[in-house]
Amino acid sequence: LAKTTQPISMDSYEGQEVNITCSHNNIATNDYITWYQQFPSQGPRFIIQGYKTKVTNEVASLFIPADRKSSTLSLPRVSLSDTAVYYCLVPLGGATNKLIFGTGTLLAVQP
Amino acid sequence: EAQVTQNPRYLITVTGKKLTVTCSQNMNHEYMSWYRQDPGLGLRQIYYSMNVEVTDKGDVPEGYKVSRKEKRNFPLILESPSPNQTSLYFCASSDPRDRVTEAFFGQGTRLTVV
Repeated sequence: LAKTTQPISMDSYEGQEVNITCSHNNIATNDYITWYQQFPSQGPRFIIQGYKTKVTNEVASLFIPADRKSSTLSLPRVSLSDTAVYYCLVPLGGATNKLIFGTGTLLAVQP
Repeated sequence: EAQVTQNPRYLITVTGKKLTVTCSQNMNHEYMSWYRQDPGLGLRQIYYSMNVEVTDKGDVPEGYKVSRKEKRNFPLILESPSPNQTSLYFCASSDPRDRVTEAFFGQGTRLTVV
């Protein structure tokens, strides 16, 4: 299973774009990159998943360079309610029977 | 509405008194898992099930049991709870056939063993 590394914390202000980068140097050919969001005392919530290049949904964008050894979650125009912990995961083959959560990135959005 | 439901949300119990935390999903998912979350240790998988009557240990299975007699339910059983099992527990479900492999988590059960 690919190990992921991401910053422990980040600060931002409302209305700004936030980019959280995750490194996964030993990602395998059939691995997908997945991001989850967790609010205090709630279960993690799936945000976005990608394999290469760029993926966008109504919540975020995910940028993956050609070598796939890193990925960047982009949150446009954050609000106070985006304050949460964001986890980068690389499930083997995209499988969800065993998800390995690291420490995540605590994003604090200030007014 | 697609959801994973855990009960109870909060539980305080005494050492050694058997308890069960229930988990139910309404999405007909094959995969179900239990995680515990502790400060500084993150989310760790306890047990998982890939289908009815198919279960396997995760990373921290000691002191826990599970069963999967029907697809929608995956209860977590603590036969003899101890204080080191005080934690926040999450149940999750997912479908391996989905193109986007999203896992759905319950709202959590905060367990305190005294």
